[in-house]
Amino acid sequence: RKEVEQDPGPFNVPEGATVAFNCTYSNSASQSFFWYRQDCRKEPKLLMSVYSSGNEDGRFTAQLNRASQYISLLIRDSKLSDSATYLCVVNPLYNFNKFYFGSGTKLNVKP
Amino acid sequence: GAGVSQSPSNKVTEKGKDVELRCDPISGHTALYWYRQSLGQGLEFLIYFQGNSAPDKSGLPSDRFSAERTGGSVSTLTIQRTQQEDSAVYLCASSNRGAGANVLTFGAGSRLTVL
Repeated sequence: RKEVEQDPGPFNVPEGATVAFNCTYSNSASQSFFWYRQDCRKEPKLLMSVYSSGNEDGRFTAQLNRASQYISLLIRDSKLSDSATYLCVVNPLYNFNKFYFGSGTKLNVKP
Repeated sequence: GAGVSQSPSNKVTEKGKDVELRCDPISGHTALYWYRQSLGQGLEFLIYFQGNSAPDKSGLPSDRFSAERTGGSVSTLTIQRTQQEDSAVYLCASSNRGAGANVLTFGAGSRLTVL
């Protein structure tokens, strides 16, 4: 079983839509969680860290559910510029030096 | 520097040649990672450095791949006798484990094409 699993998509949504992605992780001892964004032929860039209490940054909301071992990313009022691949990343408590990457969820926002 | 710097940004080489890829991490970042990403695929971990030592080399795909880091800063990834399946983007990332969350910052990558 993979450490981190994501639905590859693509999610095709119209501008202004709300879209949500989930990511599941296999190890309950995971410590830190992140969402990265990767544009085509570019490097991944940190979108937001995910905190236990949930956190929001503008149109983006991240949630953590430790009991069910998943994290989510909600994007409200989608923009064309949100089109990208969103990577879920988990950093385990038992190995602070290790980062496990999901394979990414592709989002296409259409006019 | 202000960000993670990688060179060359693009490298085209012939099968069987050796290549060196360089990564200059963010100043003060003690941890340095190399990943590989083939076209349309996810990130594949290669090697991790803490300072100049590499406690985790588990992702290096074969003995043709090696990496070193000197002065706790610049790292070089060397691929000997390149094969066509080595074609990919090689991404370097660094992190500062000291303050706050352990967050990775990536360089723009080195795109390797083996003909």
